[in-house]
Amino acid sequence: AQKITQTQPGMFVQEKEAVTLDCTYDTSDPSYGLFWYKQPSSGEMIFLIYQGSYDQQNATEGRYSLNFQKARKSANLVISASQLGDSAMYFCAMREETSYDKVIFGPGTSLSVIP
Amino acid sequence: DAGVIQSPRHEVTEMGQEVTLRCKPISGHDYLFWYRQTMMRGLELLIYFNNNVPIDDSGMPEDRFSAKMPNASFSTLKIQPSEPRDSAVYFCASSPIPSGANTGELFFGEGSRLTVL
Repeated sequence: AQKITQTQPGMFVQEKEAVTLDCTYDTSDPSYGLFWYKQPSSGEMIFLIYQGSYDQQNATEGRYSLNFQKARKSANLVISASQLGDSAMYFCAMREETSYDKVIFGPGTSLSVIP
Repeated sequence: DAGVIQSPRHEVTEMGQEVTLRCKPISGHDYLFWYRQTMMRGLELLIYFNNNVPIDDSGMPEDRFSAKMPNASFSTLKIQPSEPRDSAVYFCASSPIPSGANTGELFFGEGSRLTVL
């Protein structure tokens, strides 16, 4: 069963606007971590932001923030002030402690920033 | 640190040949992961190791695939015999143990692009 869902295969955003990329997950583990990675067309995987299941506050890293709603099991990535260089694939991932720290990825969302 | 190092970056081979992909994780990392990325199936976890011991190989497609980690600084993923459907980008990633301020994020290599003709 797929544990991570990213329902938006493709998204468009105007340069300088904010965009939200959705991620929902399924776990019964009380201790887990959620990650977002960016993969530009060059292919490398770039870590963006992390949220722990016990963290009380939403994570932020520069223009990236994570809208963590634990009860709804969602961890949406918000990119503020989009730039052309933000055009890439974005993957949500989950690491579950009771699954021996297995890390699985969602199917990804392709983001295109329009000038 | 040099980061996770994978080789070869590109491999083109013919169906039936043996393929060996190599990975050197970041020194001090306890976990090593192998992923396969295709357009159709996305990023699939094939196998991962903790302290050189395989923890979960349920993602390995079939017996043609095997992975080893003989020591903390080296891992291989072998496909024998290779088939055209194995064509993909294979990523190796390493991570420390998640603990305290350490998130346990994965550090990825640049990937090995395999084409099987």
